[in-house]
Amino acid sequence: GAVVSQHPSWVICKSGTSVKIECRSLDFQATTMFWYRQFPKQSLMLMATSNEGSKATYEQGVEKDKFLINHASLTLSTLTVTSAHPEDSSFYICSARDSAAHEQYFGPGTRLTVT
Amino acid sequence: KQEVTQIPAALSVPEGENLVLNCSFTDSAIYNLQWFRQDPGKGLTSLLLIQSSQREQTSGRLNASLDKSSGRSTLYIAASQPGDSATYLCAVRPIQAGTALIFGKGTTLSVSS
Repeated sequence: GAVVSQHPSWVICKSGTSVKIECRSLDFQATTMFWYRQFPKQSLMLMATSNEGSKATYEQGVEKDKFLINHASLTLSTLTVTSAHPEDSSFYICSARDSAAHEQYFGPGTRLTVT
Repeated sequence: KQEVTQIPAALSVPEGENLVLNCSFTDSAIYNLQWFRQDPGKGLTSLLLIQSSQREQTSGRLNASLDKSSGRSTLYIAASQPGDSATYLCAVRPIQAGTALIFGKGTTLSVSS
């Protein structure tokens, strides 16, 4: 099956700093990528949808200036958490879909801890 | 707005039992439904995907059914094993193009030996 990678798998940062998370589709071209956030013992909540070359569409309640999403190529999307705060600590999971696929393929997730 | 509900939220069973996890969704206009497994602190593992035109899918000891008109899906696990302990997530893909999977809150399964 298709493989999606994320980097880093975990990161610890200080409050006020910015963190970038990369999501790559390794063996297919992802026309659409999705970013989810999962708090402990909660389900995945969609943060934003991005199409290659276009601005991301953010879900209600997600600050677009705080969570910067770039989908500059068909195999790479990045999520930058700007001016991170402890409440941004969460598990961030990216997902990718190509134009022919019926499935969304998920990355392994990135654990962000803000101290 | 599509909402996905999973019942029960948690389930504990002894090894060897057959069990059923339930998923319901409010809008029957779906493209497909997918069941995932998630181990603590880990990402998602896709278990079964059912297209909207299908009634069920099987993989090993797992069988998932879909009744789109009533907005329900079940995941049947036969002869449960301790290694089946995990959180099981149900997700639907809305029919609108370009939309993301919408997840339920999951059922956390614990199988004791």
